[in-house]
Amino acid sequence: KAGVTQTPRYLIKTRGQQVTLSCSPISGHRSVSWYQQTPGQGLQFLFEYFSETQRNKGNFPGRFSGRQFSNSRSEMNVSTLELGDSALYLCASSLGGRVQETQYFGPGTRLLVL
Amino acid sequence: QKEVEQNSGPLSVPEGAIASLNCTYSDRGSQSFFWYRQYSGKSPELIMSIYSNGDKEDGRFTAQLNKASQYVSLLIRDSQPSDSATYLCAVSSKLIFGTGTRLQVFP
Repeated sequence: KAGVTQTPRYLIKTRGQQVTLSCSPISGHRSVSWYQQTPGQGLQFLFEYFSETQRNKGNFPGRFSGRQFSNSRSEMNVSTLELGDSALYLCASSLGGRVQETQYFGPGTRLLVL
Repeated sequence: QKEVEQNSGPLSVPEGAIASLNCTYSDRGSQSFFWYRQYSGKSPELIMSIYSNGDKEDGRFTAQLNKASQYVSLLIRDSQPSDSATYLCAVSSKLIFGTGTRLQVFP
């Protein structure tokens, strides 16, 4: 079974631009979560989507948004990019249950904002 | 207080020794706990999950959970240089992560 895929793998943008990242979950997985990883803050939860609905949300500004499609693929959008948005963005998929569920991570998209 | 706390390390152990990684969490209602390993430049991969108090063993890895003390640990027996990585503790449904402990196993 194919793993979680993310595109693009690397991205360079300038301040003020916007960016869209894509995540395709493992086949059969209906939940997709997004995380931001930086050296200083570690891995931080952005949001989770399940059945095309945002089910959980972390403490990030409204510039960070996402959506999920009927095939469970998910996109994350960051508008008005800031230098501090430079990070590794990881998505993780799971079957879609709740508490006791294993998440499987994709390889990540490394975003550099200049 | 951070929701999930880990010692950032690095924790250096000789090959063949036991590495002990610790994690404390603040939410008493947390029900599920995970240990992920992350090699440099790679994404996290699940090592162990634990839901009940006590020990759970899987090969060279043992996870220990004490909900009363809000403490979860990971023991790695017979540590190998290939175990050198950052180990992330994650708690509950939103997977709140600690910042990770960097483990170095030297020959």
